[in-house]
Amino acid sequence: EAGVAQSPRYKIIEKRQSVAFWCNPISGHATLYWYQQILGQGPKLLIQFQNNGVVDDSQLPKDRFSAERLKGVDSTLKIQPAKLEDSAVYLCASSLNRGNTEAFFGQGTRLTVV
Amino acid sequence: AQSVAQPEDQVNVAEGNPLTVKCTYSVSGNPYLFWYVQYPNRGLQFLLKYITGDNLVKGSYGFEAEFNKSQTSFHLKKPSALVSDSALYFCAVRDVSGTYKYIFGTGTRLKVLA
Repeated sequence: EAGVAQSPRYKIIEKRQSVAFWCNPISGHATLYWYQQILGQGPKLLIQFQNNGVVDDSQLPKDRFSAERLKGVDSTLKIQPAKLEDSAVYLCASSLNRGNTEAFFGQGTRLTVV
Repeated sequence: AQSVAQPEDQVNVAEGNPLTVKCTYSVSGNPYLFWYVQYPNRGLQFLLKYITGDNLVKGSYGFEAEFNKSQTSFHLKKPSALVSDSALYFCAVRDVSGTYKYIFGTGTRLKVLA
C-alpha cells in the first residue's frame, strides 16, 4: 500500500512570496489533515477535511493560508504572503475515517522563509 | 476544549531499564488515544491506540500503553529500553463527541543511554 505522498520535500522562499504544498493521501482515506510542526514542537492542526468538506480550520491563519481538497482526494495548502514565522515542516496525514482509525503521515515539506 | 499534555520535555533512561513517557488528556466525551514516534528527518510513525476495552494496549516495537480514565492518562511504557528507542514521542487524542479533531501533544524526547 502506497503511503501519503507530499511534495516538494524542501522549499526556500523569501518573505512575502507565495508557496504551495501538495498532498496525495492513501487511496480510500476519507479524512485528510494538514499540520504545521515548528522545530522542537508538536504538530499543530491547521485544517482537517472529511472527503472534500472542511471539518475544522480553527487554527488556520486564514488571512494568509488556504487549503482545498478538490474531489475529496488530493489536497493543496497555500501560503500567501509568507512570513518568517511560517518556517516549519508542513505535514500531511490521512486516515480511513475520522473515528477510531489512526492517521498515516507523509514525510513532510520543510519550508524555510528568509 | 480538547487538549493533550506531555509534562516532560525529555526522559532519560538506561538501556535495559523500563521506560515511561507520560500523557494526560482533556476531552468532553470519550477519547480515542494514540501514540506516535518520530525519528530525525522522518515522518510520524503510529505505535498504538486505545479505542475501547482492555486498558492495557500493546503496539509496535514492544511498546504498550495504559489507559486510566480516572486520571485521564495514557502513559507509554516499555519493559526494557533499547538505545534505538531514542526518538521523539507524541501522544494524540481524538474527541469523539465533537468534530473528531486529531490533536497532538508537544512531544517528549526519549534518550536511552548505553
